[in-house]
Amino acid sequence: DADVTQTPRNRITKTGKRIMLECSQTKGHDRMYWYRQDPGLGLRLIYYSFDVKDINKGEISDGYSVSRQAQAKFSLSLESAIPNQTALYFCATSGYGTPSSYNEQFFGPGTRLTVL
Amino acid sequence: QQQVKQSPQSLIVQKGGISIINCAYENTAFDYFPWYQQFPGKGPALLIAIRPDVSEKKEGRFTISFNKSAKQFSLHIMDSQPGDSATYFCAASWLGGGADGLTFGKGTHLIIQP
Repeated sequence: DADVTQTPRNRITKTGKRIMLECSQTKGHDRMYWYRQDPGLGLRLIYYSFDVKDINKGEISDGYSVSRQAQAKFSLSLESAIPNQTALYFCATSGYGTPSSYNEQFFGPGTRLTVL
Repeated sequence: QQQVKQSPQSLIVQKGGISIINCAYENTAFDYFPWYQQFPGKGPALLIAIRPDVSEKKEGRFTISFNKSAKQFSLHIMDSQPGDSATYFCAASWLGGGADGLTFGKGTHLIIQP
């Protein structure tokens, strides 16, 4: 089984709809991240979480919210989806250990979201 | 503000050749420089990483060269193979602020022609 899973893998929705993307991990990591990938723009950080009580905004948090329901679960919500939120969304985790391993991030398979 | 600039955007190399991808960073606080490899339909995966206390790190056919004074680092893929065809992202962060996440370059689409 995959260590980092994302659901759904693909989603088509309409402008104005609320949508939630979910991420679960079995790696036992404390830190979780949501990134957005757009062609030619690389990956950009939306939100990150130290643990269930610590949520932080990333580079492009406007229009998004998150919930850390448990150490293993981190959800991303679009309260009112708009077309320019069409992108590939990735969840990632990192764990506590040696300084070099601390920054290694493990990515899920991604969710392709299309907002019409 | 783009803190990590990556070039080229796309690259075609013949099988057996050397693939070179370059990155430059602005934030002198960065002290961790990984390269991620992404295949179509998959999430990025760590390929190799370097700290600024060394100028080069080699793992198999993959080498990172690091120039601290120029604030540049590059990925060299020796004896490039068709299976290396993927999108490569350089990234940077500082270990003390690891939870901030990685700052990624825009990616390089690499094609290795048989």
